[in-house]
Amino acid sequence: SQQGEEDPQALSIQEGENATMNCSYKTSINNLQWYRQNSGRGLVHLILIRSNEREKHSGRLRVTLDTSKKSSSLLITASRAADTASYFCATDAGSADKLIFGTGTRLQVFP
Amino acid sequence: DTEVTQTPKHLVMGMTNKKSLKCEQHMGHRAMYWYKQKAKKPPELMFVYSYEKLSINESVPSRFSPECPNSSLLNLHLHALQPEDSALYLCASSQAGTRGYTFGSGTRLTVV
Repeated sequence: SQQGEEDPQALSIQEGENATMNCSYKTSINNLQWYRQNSGRGLVHLILIRSNEREKHSGRLRVTLDTSKKSSSLLITASRAADTASYFCATDAGSADKLIFGTGTRLQVFP
Repeated sequence: DTEVTQTPKHLVMGMTNKKSLKCEQHMGHRAMYWYKQKAKKPPELMFVYSYEKLSINESVPSRFSPECPNSSLLNLHLHALQPEDSALYLCASSQAGTRGYTFGSGTRLTVV
């Protein structure tokens, strides 16, 4: 089953620009997470935001969460070519052991 | 050790073969997971083991059979697969719901 949808599906930017990805989900959550996946490899956990938090930062990453709209955004500032990857939001759908992924955004950063 | 190790990295099998995928973690995580990912799609949850017991089976066909021999190991036994089962199979582990999952690099499975 799919919990979230991400927008845009694909995003191409130049190095140094900011990249914003949006995620919408359907059910109540305990937390929302963001992951990065380089082509054909495993996923890397980036950041987790709890349902009672509105904003969280980690290095060049900024995540917001609006539970009233059931949406989240991931902002990558000052992007680098190495940020080229697919980015997925994931929610627990209210169950600690059931992480469901959104459709993903493919980010391409050109040097 | 902060990794999840999956073997093999690549596997080609015939529809009549029996094979197994293996996953190992030594982080003391209580939960382990199998996900299936088709090209350009998000990972789809297959199975969840919590404290070595199967807690979630997402209506996966019986040709996929999970096994958790101990708290560090997770296997996925494959039998009589179909070509449409070709995908990247990802293993993950986690300690609690307030932290992220640690994923292995996956097994790329091709069924011929």
